[in-house]
Amino acid sequence: EIVLTQSPGTLSLSPGERATLSCRASQSVSRSYLAWYQQKPGQAPRLLIYGASSRATGIPDRFSGSGSGTDFTLTISRLEPEDFAVYYCQQYSSLPRTFGQGTKVEIK
Amino acid sequence: EVQLVESGGGLVQPGGSLRLSCAASGFTFTSYWMIWVRQAPGKGLEWVANMNQAGSEKYYVDSVKGRFTISRDNAKNSLYLQMNSLRAEDTAVYFCATDYYGYFQHWGQGTLVTVSS
Repeated sequence: EIVLTQSPGTLSLSPGERATLSCRASQSVSRSYLAWYQQKPGQAPRLLIYGASSRATGIPDRFSGSGSGTDFTLTISRLEPEDFAVYYCQQYSSLPRTFGQGTKVEIK
Repeated sequence: EVQLVESGGGLVQPGGSLRLSCAASGFTFTSYWMIWVRQAPGKGLEWVANMNQAGSEKYYVDSVKGRFTISRDNAKNSLYLQMNSLRAEDTAVYFCATDYYGYFQHWGQGTLVTVSS
């Protein structure tokens, strides 16, 4: 099983700042089969990024993903008020599909 | 518009059973793998099970193998999760979602399952 470790656990930032979230895998994620999701309280997760760097339909270009192998990053270039949420990475290169434990981006 | 609507959650005693349903609309259900993901209160996301379009391939997380069964009825555009021998640690919101080559594009709003005496 591939274990995903996200850091930091919580990121305290102000609107307009840049957010950099990390996701590290316990073994290589083949073909960059890594996705990112955003979840707000009481809501279902929303797909942001797949294939490590491809934005899902309707996702603003301030969200970008990068990385390969075992190290992946989600960057939010300028935080908007609606971006404060919890973010999860997920690998789909092997079963079981696994998620990271999440990074909470909170308003400073 | 893609819609996934879960139902069937509720309070059940340890050792009991529950069947969750997920009604799909707005897309070609028979073209997609489907999954169940759960989220314990205040915790992260956990993939539970998935199955292919025809129902011939099914995979489960180890913690539910032998207790949960994923199924689908393509004629009714519906996905199911039969949960038996429920434990307190199965308490969670259960989401259904479309599984597109391993990542999850569309999600339902979730249904809460509480296992408690």
